[in-house]
Amino acid sequence: ETGVTQSPTHLIKTRGQQVTLRCSSQSGHNTVSWYQQALGQGPQFIFQYYREEENGRGNFPPRFSGLQFPNYSSELNVNALELDDSALYLCASSLGSREETQYFGPGTRLLVL
Amino acid sequence: AQSVTQLDSQVPVFEEAPVELRCNYSSSVSVYLFWYVQYPNQGLQLLLKYLSGSTLVKGINGFEAEFNKSQTSFHLRKPSVHISDTAEYFCAVSDRDGGFKTIFGAGTRLFVKA
Repeated sequence: ETGVTQSPTHLIKTRGQQVTLRCSSQSGHNTVSWYQQALGQGPQFIFQYYREEENGRGNFPPRFSGLQFPNYSSELNVNALELDDSALYLCASSLGSREETQYFGPGTRLLVL
Repeated sequence: AQSVTQLDSQVPVFEEAPVELRCNYSSSVSVYLFWYVQYPNQGLQLLLKYLSGSTLVKGINGFEAEFNKSQTSFHLRKPSVHISDTAEYFCAVSDRDGGFKTIFGAGTRLFVKA
C-alpha cells in the first residue's frame, strides 16, 4: 500500500510568482486536506477536497486554490506569492470527509524570496 | 470556535525519565482529539486518537493520553523516554460534526538528553 506522496520536496520562488504543489493520496482515499505549517507553528487548515469538490475552507485568501482529480490526487495552487507564504505545505488523505483519521505526506517546503 | 493550547513550547527531559506534554482545548461541541509527532524534515505521524469510550488512550511507541472532559485536557504521557523520541509533538482537535477541519496546537518540542 502506497502512502501519501507530495512533490516537489523543496521549491524556491520569488514574490509575485505562482506555484503548484501536488499530492497523491493513499490508495482508496477519496478525501484530501491541505495544511500550511509556518516555521515554529502548528499546521493550519487551508481546504479539503472530497470527490473532486471543495468541501471546506480555512481562513486563507482566494489566491490559494485547489483541484482534485478523478484518481483523487490533488493540487494546491498559490498565486501572487508573498514572503509570508514561505512554509511547509502538508497534504493529508482520508477515507471520507467525515473520517477522523488523516494520513499525512512528507510535505513540500516552499521558500518565497 | 475551537482552539488548542499546548502549554509548553519546549520540554527537555533526560533519557528514561517520564514525560508529560500538556494540551488543553476549547470547543462548544463534542470533539475528536489527536496527538501527532513530527520528526525533522518529515510530515506528521499519528500517535493516538480519542474518539469515544475509555478516556485513557494508548498509542504507538509507548505513548498514552488521557481525555479529561471537565478540564478540557488531553495530556500526552510516556513513562520512560528514549533519545529517539526527540521530536515535535502536536495536539489537535476536530469537530465530530464538522468533519473536515482539524485545529492544531502550536506544538511542543520534546528534547531527550542522554
